[in-house]
Amino acid sequence: NAGVTQTPKFRVLKTGQSMTLLCAQDMNHEYMYWYRQDPGMGLRLIHYSVGEGTTAKGEVPDGYNVSRLKKQNFLLGLESAAPSQTSVYFCASTGSYRTDTQYFGPGTRLTVL
Amino acid sequence: AQSVTQLDSQVPVFEEAPVELRCNYSSSVSVYLFWYVQYPNQGLQLLLKYLSGSTLVESINGFEAEFNKSQTSFHLRKPSVHISDTAEYFCAARGDNDMRFGAGTRLTVKP
Repeated sequence: NAGVTQTPKFRVLKTGQSMTLLCAQDMNHEYMYWYRQDPGMGLRLIHYSVGEGTTAKGEVPDGYNVSRLKKQNFLLGLESAAPSQTSVYFCASTGSYRTDTQYFGPGTRLTVL
Repeated sequence: AQSVTQLDSQVPVFEEAPVELRCNYSSSVSVYLFWYVQYPNQGLQLLLKYLSGSTLVESINGFEAEFNKSQTSFHLRKPSVHISDTAEYFCAARGDNDMRFGAGTRLTVKP
């Protein structure tokens, strides 16, 4: 099993450009999450999904959109990137909402100039 | 909303010394508590978790944490650290709708 994979690993954007981050998991997990990690702030939840075709807002959803068309994939989109979105983005998945472990991908380092 | 506070942003210790990483949470409902570890340039990995039952939980690499409801704490401890324990440690709590992470504690073990 590959677990949770993220594409790309690194990306540099100019302000106003758009991009999509792809998260894939092969554990048949229902729940998937997108977080951003910033120094001194830990991880903050951007959006999450409780199953195929569903999405919900997390703590910091502004400027991001997501889609879960297939159970194994969770896409994070930036329509018009801003320097404040420079961060490391982590995807995670879990099979059980409350009690199970979240499995994290290796992260995507995004820089917006 | 659930919030998690890690009281130390950095903890430097010498090899073989004991260490405690402190975590407090705020909630008026039942919580499930977790410690995750992040090694450089990697994603987070679960270290241990408290769901119910015994308030003392242990990991396979010698860490333990104790759930203290009266003090709303979930401190992480290890009696003797190794160089390989150098990493960032995140305390997390799951509330009704989401998982909240603390800001992280960077543990640096020096020889």
